[in-house]
Amino acid sequence: EIVLTQSPGTLSLSIGERATLSCRASQSVSSNFLAWYQQKPGQAPILLIYRASSRATGIPDRFSGSGSGTDFTLSISRLEPEDFAVYYCQQYDTSPLTFGGGTKVEIK
Amino acid sequence: EVQLVESGGGLVKPGGSLRLSCAASGLTFSNAWMNWVRQAPGKGLEWVGRIKSRTDGGTTDHAAPVKGRFTMSRDDSENTLYLQMNSLKTEDTAVYYCTRSRMYCSSTSCYGGDFDYWGQGTLVTVSS
Repeated sequence: EIVLTQSPGTLSLSIGERATLSCRASQSVSSNFLAWYQQKPGQAPILLIYRASSRATGIPDRFSGSGSGTDFTLSISRLEPEDFAVYYCQQYDTSPLTFGGGTKVEIK
Repeated sequence: EVQLVESGGGLVKPGGSLRLSCAASGLTFSNAWMNWVRQAPGKGLEWVGRIKSRTDGGTTDHAAPVKGRFTMSRDDSENTLYLQMNSLKTEDTAVYYCTRSRMYCSSTSCYGGDFDYWGQGTLVTVSS
């Protein structure tokens, strides 16, 4: 099983600042089969990034993904009020599909 | 517009059973690989299992914590996904989401990937 470790657990930032979230895999994720999701309280997650760096439909370009192998990053260039949420990475290279533990981005 | 609507959640005693449904619309359901994902209260996301399209074999794949107790199935004529949950434990308490996998296809085969559509979830509470 591929274990995904997200860091930091919580990120406290101000509106307009840049956010950098990390996702590290216990073994290499082939074909960059890694996704990022955003979840707000009481809502279902939504897909932000797939294949490590492709933005999903309707996602603003302030969200970007990068990385390969075992190290992946989600960046939010300038935080907007609606971006404060929990973010999860997920690998879909190997079954069982697995999620990271999440990073909470909160308002400083 | 793609819609996934889960139903069937509720309160059940440990050892009991429950069947969840997920009604799909706005997509070609018969071609879709579908999944269940759950989230315990205040916790992160956990993949429960997936079912391939009949074209790709229709087989299921379940996570270790639920293997042998939960069974996924589908009715393509009704555009509905099911999750039969037996021998429920308190640790199965969670919101259960159904999701669709984006398909990645080569010249010879297809593979279900990231989850591009999610339902709103249904709460299952296992408690005496």
